[in-house]
Amino acid sequence: ETGVTQTPRHLVMGMTNKKSLKCEQHLGHNAMYWYKQSAKKPLELMFVYNFKEQTENNSVPSRFSPECPNSSHLFLHLHTLQPEDSALYLCASSQERKNTEAFFGQGTRLTVV
Amino acid sequence: GQQLNQSPQSMFIQEGEDVSMNCTSSSIFNTWLWYKQDPGEGPVLLIALYKAGELTSNGRLTAQFGITRKDSFLNISASIPSDVGIYFCAGFMNYGGSQGNLIFGKGTKLSVKP
Repeated sequence: ETGVTQTPRHLVMGMTNKKSLKCEQHLGHNAMYWYKQSAKKPLELMFVYNFKEQTENNSVPSRFSPECPNSSHLFLHLHTLQPEDSALYLCASSQERKNTEAFFGQGTRLTVV
Repeated sequence: GQQLNQSPQSMFIQEGEDVSMNCTSSSIFNTWLWYKQDPGEGPVLLIALYKAGELTSNGRLTAQFGITRKDSFLNISASIPSDVGIYFCAGFMNYGGSQGNLIFGKGTKLSVKP
């Protein structure tokens, strides 16, 4: 039990598909994040939610759409993705937005074909 | 944008050896974190550093927050096979108020010597 659970662990989707990634945290944290991890690149912050409000969107293409219905759940809706979007997508949470100890889920390995 | 330079990019370890890696930046950070990531898993937090000059240990791991607040190092003593993986440094830059971002290095990959 890592405290941050992501589903699915693996996802293969076509470029015309619509799918969603789910993240759930059991730590009572108020801030949640989506990161993208590609080979040979640093972790890239995509979105930040603090108390269910989106506080940051790091110039992410609109084909990625986040949703945070409550402090414990975070979704990433995917549609019309490109092959270069294939990566490991990591969810993280922290106690507060300014609290720096972020705890990560196991990630969803996404392959776009 | 802000960047962390993490080195070395990769290294081979033999069981029992000590290992050292570091991160440097041109920017000042308020916090340094060290994570380890195993294949197919998310990063796991190893050590958090909050004050310049702080030296913190977690078992065989020791990390220090550089006095200039622009660097940090991680040492692993008496390495064992399960130490292999990718180690990431991360610096937290506070933009003021409740805003800030974690900036990650590119990682140091530890492998076992053939």
